[in-house]
Amino acid sequence: GAVVSQHPSRVICKSGTSVKIECRSLDFQATTMFWYRQFPKQSLMLMATSNEGSKATYEQGVEKDKFLINHASLTLSTLTVTSAHPEDSSFYICSATTSGKSSEQFFGPGTRLTVL
Amino acid sequence: GQNIDQPTEMTATEGAIVQINCTYQTSGFNGLFWYQQHAGEAPTFLSYNVLDGLEEKGRFSSFLSRSKGYSYLLLKELQMKDSASYLCAVRDGSFQKLVFGTGTRLLVSP
Repeated sequence: GAVVSQHPSRVICKSGTSVKIECRSLDFQATTMFWYRQFPKQSLMLMATSNEGSKATYEQGVEKDKFLINHASLTLSTLTVTSAHPEDSSFYICSATTSGKSSEQFFGPGTRLTVL
Repeated sequence: GQNIDQPTEMTATEGAIVQINCTYQTSGFNGLFWYQQHAGEAPTFLSYNVLDGLEEKGRFSSFLSRSKGYSYLLLKELQMKDSASYLCAVRDGSFQKLVFGTGTRLLVSP
């Protein structure tokens, strides 16, 4: 199957700093990437949908100025958590898919963010 | 609105069979997925149903009834390594978005 990587796998930062998480599709071109957040013992919550070369579409309740998403190429999307606070500590997971309605989503391994 | 329900937790014994149910009410429908997720890891794909009926893949089977908004995942010959969370997800019809259910934590005991 297709491989999606995320970097870093874990990050600890101080409150008020910004953190950038990268999501890469390694062996296919991803026209669409999705960013999810998962709090402990909860399910995945979609944050935003990112299409290459266009602005991301954010889900209701997700602050676009706080969670900056850039999908500059068909193999890379980045999520930047700006001015992070302890409540932003979570497991962030990306997924990637190719074009077409029946395309499967391939998930990255996730990034554990801890804000002190 | 979007609503996908699963039982929160289930327990079963090694070697047994367990059925995890999922009911959904979504604005669009273009397929239902089941994922397995171990703690601290990303979800891994188990099955996909878009038409009514049963899909079988080894020890795992998934069933879909679109008219009832209902699916189940059947796990046979349970193994200890099957202890994990199982996520039901419905794909939105127009934007490929996946809406995840609440997830079911399965504990397999000896």
